[in-house]
Amino acid sequence: AQSVDQPDAHVTLSEGASLELRCSYSYSAAPYLFWYVQYPGQSLQFLLKYITGDTVVKGTKGFEAEFRKSNSSFNLKKSPAHWSDSAKYFCALEGGNTNTGKLTFGDGTVLTVKP
Amino acid sequence: NAGVIQTPRHKVTGKGQEATLWCEPISGHSAVFWYRQTIVQGLEFLTYFRNQAPIDDSGMPKERFSAQMPNQSHSTLKIQSTQPQDSAVYLCASSLRGAETLYFGSGTRLTVL
Repeated sequence: AQSVDQPDAHVTLSEGASLELRCSYSYSAAPYLFWYVQYPGQSLQFLLKYITGDTVVKGTKGFEAEFRKSNSSFNLKKSPAHWSDSAKYFCALEGGNTNTGKLTFGDGTVLTVKP
Repeated sequence: NAGVIQTPRHKVTGKGQEATLWCEPISGHSAVFWYRQTIVQGLEFLTYFRNQAPIDDSGMPKERFSAQMPNQSHSTLKIQSTQPQDSAVYLCASSLRGAETLYFGSGTRLTVL
């Protein structure tokens, strides 16, 4: 079985601060890991992914994430945060051996960046 | 590139009625996925096609839900005898191949009264 945990349902910070959204996963083999963002009233948009190789991956909109096998985490980071980053962020996992695109999503973190 | 197109955007049905949701994937994408999003359950995988063939329907409720992909340009999700618990946003996504970036449509919000 595989699962994704996003322990923070809500994160609030001020514009200009650094943001870090937490994601941990459970999977017995090498995972493929993703972050997606959902702006209010919109559908999900891809931010970045980790498949293999460099453990720090950079994505769109200035975001990056670090894959840490030691503690099964894939935290999303950005500095500085902008008010337009306010959205719901989803971490997702695909079992790396399946190569299907079937994703298991976390419950998401609602990020509010105050101007 | 218009992205993944889903129609209708909103659909309201009465309990026991049928609902058909449509999805047009991005041209050239070989994989099509259906997900469901609710506040309670979050994002749930329903089913997946590759090159129009059904690959994995492990997330589909067995009795009333069915999905088809009759050609490479569209897929349908049909719900028979809709129930209030089927109310959700149904998302279609496509990708070039399996483990690639998923491109999501805007979704169809289904409300079952």
